[in-house]
Amino acid sequence: EAQVTQNPRYLITVTGKKLTVTCSQNMNHEYMSWYRQDPGLGLRQIYYSMNVEVTDKGDVPEGYKVSRKEKRNFPLILESPSPNQTSLYFCASRGSGGTYEQYFGPGTRLTVT
Amino acid sequence: AQKVTQAQTEISVVEKEDVTLDCVYETRDTTYYLFWYKQPPSGELVFLIRRNSFDEQNEISGRYSWNFQKSTSSFNFTITASQVVDSAVYFCALSEYLKAAGNKLTFGGGTRVLVKP
Repeated sequence: EAQVTQNPRYLITVTGKKLTVTCSQNMNHEYMSWYRQDPGLGLRQIYYSMNVEVTDKGDVPEGYKVSRKEKRNFPLILESPSPNQTSLYFCASRGSGGTYEQYFGPGTRLTVT
Repeated sequence: AQKVTQAQTEISVVEKEDVTLDCVYETRDTTYYLFWYKQPPSGELVFLIRRNSFDEQNEISGRYSWNFQKSTSSFNFTITASQVVDSAVYFCALSEYLKAAGNKLTFGGGTRVLVKP
């Protein structure tokens, strides 16, 4: 089954404790992105990757890091989480075809206390 | 810069009523894509429809229909004969052609639809 998976689905952590949210897709997609969802703001892009070893900042990259060492994986790293990073996070991927339809993961709800 | 505005934050209807969700967008590109996504209470994002800027033909797909008007930069979405299962948050999104290569979707703030039995 074609899908984007994220782990963990729920995470409660404390300020300053480094964490990684994993994202994996099994569709051989070139493009992958991370978004965060906050009430009233919709989803905003954090980082994106156009292929292995090619990443770039989205609209709200501060406080986040990413890497793309393999085509299928695109982890999101919070080196020193803060309470304002409490949010619902989505990973997305799409292929290089022309439809631009993105496939979203199930979401990771992160709470930073 | 691109922007998507969903002025309705919440709509409440009784089952079988029609629901129309408004979406207004801003973009400098002449080539772009518009999307509607549904987010049910379970939290996942479900792709509903996509339109490209070259095609203003309005269509109906089952109980869903959309009205794309380039002249007013609007991409409204209608659910006909609403059902309780339609209760969700609906997002309108825009992808500019060039930015699409960078995989970026710009989302509106979402409209929560509550369908009461």
